[in-house]
Amino acid sequence: DQQVKQNSPSLSVQEGRISILNCDYTNSMFDYFLWYKKYPAEGPTFLISISSIKDKNEDGRFTVFLNKSAKHLSLHIVPSQPGDSAVYFCAASGISGNTGKLIFGQGTTLQVKP
Amino acid sequence: KAGVTQTPRYLIKTRGQQVTLSCSPISGHRSVSWYQQTPGQGLQFLFEYFSETQRNKGNFPGRFSGRQFSNSRSEMNVSTLELGDSALYLCASSFGAEAGELFFGEGSRLTVL
Repeated sequence: DQQVKQNSPSLSVQEGRISILNCDYTNSMFDYFLWYKKYPAEGPTFLISISSIKDKNEDGRFTVFLNKSAKHLSLHIVPSQPGDSAVYFCAASGISGNTGKLIFGQGTTLQVKP
Repeated sequence: KAGVTQTPRYLIKTRGQQVTLSCSPISGHRSVSWYQQTPGQGLQFLFEYFSETQRNKGNFPGRFSGRQFSNSRSEMNVSTLELGDSALYLCASSFGAEAGELFFGEGSRLTVL
């Protein structure tokens, strides 16, 4: 039972263009969502998060959008840079206090071409 | 400040053996979580420890166990290893008081032959 899904295993974009990574979830109890980036041979690093009381959160080139009615979130990277090439995981958390338990999607490999 | 440290980084075991992995969280962090990453399954939650108590547990068999010490350092143990246990085991720490980001270590790569 995959509660968090990233249906696109890979995405390729040109440098300078927008990258849009998508994530769907099924559990309406999730109230906090995060995006992590992972390079090979490294642990995931936190990128950006959003609480379910918001529908948008920005941090520099990164913006996360949340559509609760559709149970969908997306990560926009503008402009994309070659250094953004990595695997991106979305993750969800529910019930305040269960902070160490995240449900991850299977990841999307982003390739940004120079 | 120092990040999350996991040891060993790489190890090879044979079926039936057991393995212990160690994790030192960021100083001041009281929550330590463990995740298994495999190519087909992504990152799957194993368990979380907070103040030496298991606070959450994922859907893994009892062969997977863990503990946390008074200094917040944590260990996880896998007994009777199976080929399917080959994976990257990631440890993450946080303050544990409210929803927020987890800080991950670089992982321990386990290969079971």
